[in-house]
Amino acid sequence: DQQVKQNSPSLSVQEGRISILNCDYTNSMFDYFLWYKKYPAEGPTFLISISSIKDKNEDGRFTVFLNKSAKHLSLHIVPSQPGDSAVYFCAASFKAAGNKLTFGGGTRVLVKP
Amino acid sequence: DVKVTQSSRYLVKRTGEKVFLECVQDMDHENMFWYRQDPGLGLRLIYFSYDVKMKEKGDIPEGYSVSREKKERFSLILESASTNQTSMYLCASSRPGTGSYGYTFGSGTRLTVV
Repeated sequence: DQQVKQNSPSLSVQEGRISILNCDYTNSMFDYFLWYKKYPAEGPTFLISISSIKDKNEDGRFTVFLNKSAKHLSLHIVPSQPGDSAVYFCAASFKAAGNKLTFGGGTRVLVKP
Repeated sequence: DVKVTQSSRYLVKRTGEKVFLECVQDMDHENMFWYRQDPGLGLRLIYFSYDVKMKEKGDIPEGYSVSREKKERFSLILESASTNQTSMYLCASSRPGTGSYGYTFGSGTRLTVV
């Protein structure tokens, strides 16, 4: 039973436009949510995170929104650049479980020049 | 530059072989993890360790074991490799209490079992 789900396996967007990646979760105990970016033949790298006590966190072109009542978070990339083409993983953790990360299935983003 | 290093990028092994995947980190992290990545399934936790000599099962430990004799090294062992263990294996490390920043990952080992 997947506790973290990314229902869109892929996304294609034009350079300069907004990319919106979605993630749903089922475990209300999660207290941190993170996004990782992964290029082929490389390990995932941390992108941005948000605490469950916040509803928005922004870092440059990347903004994460959290809707706790809907158990939903999203990552916005504005403007999208060709170098953003990668697989993006949503992940969640909670302190009582030792901050182990539970990952979603990933969304492959293709930014077209 | 801090690193998590996995000893092999690509491995091809035969069914039934015993396989060792090695991971070393130079960040003095207490926590180390092994995940496997499969298309559509994301990253699934196999085993993790919060300290030397300690190990705990993750979500999919069957067919695997681990060893952590030194703080910097965490080994994943496939006791008898099977074709359904063909996958990308990712090692990660973290400090305790780093819920907001998560892990540092290695580059991965792509294992093919034939």
